[in-house]
Amino acid sequence: SQQGEEDPQALSIQEGENATMNCSYKTSINNLQWYRQNSGRGLVHLILIRSNEREKHSGRLRVTLDTSKKSSSLLITASRAADTASYFCATVRGSARQLTFGSGTQLTVLP
Amino acid sequence: KAGVTQTPRYLIKTRGQQVTLSCSPISGHRSVSWYQQTPGQGLQFLFEYFSETQRNKGNFPGRFSGRQFSNSRSEMNVSTLELGDSALYLCASSSKTRVDSYEQYFGPGTRLTVT
Repeated sequence: SQQGEEDPQALSIQEGENATMNCSYKTSINNLQWYRQNSGRGLVHLILIRSNEREKHSGRLRVTLDTSKKSSSLLITASRAADTASYFCATVRGSARQLTFGSGTQLTVLP
Repeated sequence: KAGVTQTPRYLIKTRGQQVTLSCSPISGHRSVSWYQQTPGQGLQFLFEYFSETQRNKGNFPGRFSGRQFSNSRSEMNVSTLELGDSALYLCASSSKTRVDSYEQYFGPGTRLTVT
């Protein structure tokens, strides 16, 4: 079963704009990660944030984590057409080394 | 380093047959996991292997099985295929041992179609 939901399910923006995606989860976590998937291909790991961290940056990506609200957000700044993809959040819970994925956000960046 | 590789990339099978998918992890990665992705159920965890031992298993029927070899390569097998087994099967590997750092690197997937 999936851990939680992502919001919005689909997002369409113009190149150069910022894109924000949200992820909610149900149970306590060890870490939360974001992945990108292009057109039914493999997932690409973007960024990991541990449960004791509140914000992380990597290039044009900014991730925040609010464990009290059981939610995370991914911000992509200055979007490019090449950022068009599905974005998934995934959590690691307890001692199990497995990812539980959200339902994903389909991002379309228009040139 | 070469990434995670999966073979075959595409596969068409008939209901009732069995299938074996193969995965080679990134060199040095000892943890290998399998996931199933379908439009209806999304991404779901199948199982995880470490040092030839299954450490975790998802909520899938016994028709789904796997194994890991001493070189960390892994195979998954699905017996008595059903139409609902049509999916993208993704393999992922990890070198992380601490659970709070655990992140995975995915292969391109095997697209299985059951007719």
